[in-house]
Amino acid sequence: KQEVTQIPAALSVPEGENLVLNCSFTDSAIYNLQWFRQDPGKGLTSLLLIQSSQREQTSGRLNASLDKSSGRSTLYIAASQPGDSATYLCAVYGNTGKLIFGQGTTLQVKP
Amino acid sequence: EAGVTQSPTHLIKTRGQQATLRCSPISGHTSVYWYQQALGLGLQFLLWYDEGEERNRGNFPPRFSGRQFPNYSSELNVNALELEDSALYLCASSLSRGALSYNEQFFGPGTRLTVL
Repeated sequence: KQEVTQIPAALSVPEGENLVLNCSFTDSAIYNLQWFRQDPGKGLTSLLLIQSSQREQTSGRLNASLDKSSGRSTLYIAASQPGDSATYLCAVYGNTGKLIFGQGTTLQVKP
Repeated sequence: EAGVTQSPTHLIKTRGQQATLRCSPISGHTSVYWYQQALGLGLQFLLWYDEGEERNRGNFPPRFSGRQFPNYSSELNVNALELEDSALYLCASSLSRGALSYNEQFFGPGTRLTVL
């Protein structure tokens, strides 16, 4: 059974810091991995999707990497801003049609 | 192009009642997925419909059911509501999955269900 774990559960940093969010999964037989952002009480905003054949994806200040063999992904946020404050979710695509989500990392960026 | 839409935005029901949530997928998408996000439990997979048929179901009681219509929109029905059914319900859509491929899921804004 696939399990997805995100560490840390919460993170507070001063504005301008670079930071790394971690995601690990127990079954390396995934199709793809996706990072989402969720603001309080809101739906999901897709940040980056990494296909199983890729090792990383970049969008602006965000960079996500994927190492299937070790069951790990990281989301790197450069030069953090208060507007980056949100919960970040990692999810893996298995072969059953469903996305399996981690519990998320709640990020607070202080001005 | 319009994204995934869900209605209603908020829904308030009392214990024992039934709730119906609706989802319209992105044009051209034939797969619809339902997820529940209850407080403290994270996002849990509920149901997957593709081409009008239920393809997979999460670990939820039979009180949770749904259907997909010929236009690929979908309904989620929750019968005999319990307090713990209070949650954000998210719908996602994707192109139909091939046998050996995935297709990215795009999420709607969600329906907040409150059971009193």
